[in-house]
Amino acid sequence: DVKVTQSSRYLVKRTGEKVFLECVQDMDHENMFWYRQDPGLGLRLIYFSYDVKMKEKGDIPEGYSVSREKKERFSLILESASTNQTSMYLCASSLAPSTGPRGTEAFFGQGTRLTVV
Amino acid sequence: GEDVEQSLFLSVREGDSSVINCTYTDSSSTYLYWYKQEPGAGLQLLTYIFSNMDMKQDQRLTVLLNKKDKHLSLRIADTQTGDSAIYFCAERWGGKLIFGQGTELSVKP
Repeated sequence: DVKVTQSSRYLVKRTGEKVFLECVQDMDHENMFWYRQDPGLGLRLIYFSYDVKMKEKGDIPEGYSVSREKKERFSLILESASTNQTSMYLCASSLAPSTGPRGTEAFFGQGTRLTVV
Repeated sequence: GEDVEQSLFLSVREGDSSVINCTYTDSSSTYLYWYKQEPGAGLQLLTYIFSNMDMKQDQRLTVLLNKKDKHLSLRIADTQTGDSAIYFCAERWGGKLIFGQGTELSVKP
């Protein structure tokens, strides 16, 4: 089974702190994604990566950055946490795009609920 | 940008059928997906449909696609309390998935 592991289930951080959210997948997937999930807004894409050291902005990248130094690991960084970044953060991975549906079937981690106080 | 819309809540009685609806904007989407999120968990793929299909059935699940109206639905037959969850539809756009807001399904005994 594909496993996507996020380092923390719950985090509480102070405003202004630098926050690292870590995600590791064990299926040699090329693609990795960070989403945030908020009630009534669904999942919004923050950043994604199609390869090592490659990153692309999603729909809401402001206030975030990412790092992908190794294929299996994709980190989300909040440079200076703010209260409006309190949310559930979901990491996902998938195979490289292909013509078939499995090319974008995404496998998700269990989520990190971040509270910024 | 691309947009996927769902209603936020649905409540049904155990044993009834549930129908969750979704509209999307990208007419060039090749695949559309339904994901399920149980409380405290990430999302899991339930089923998908290719854009040249009108219907797909998988046990208790039936997916209907109206490409002209850009409307996707998920029907769950004989809904059980274990089906209580948030259901997300998603369309494939390039190598990414664009998700709707999620429909919270509540199943009452």
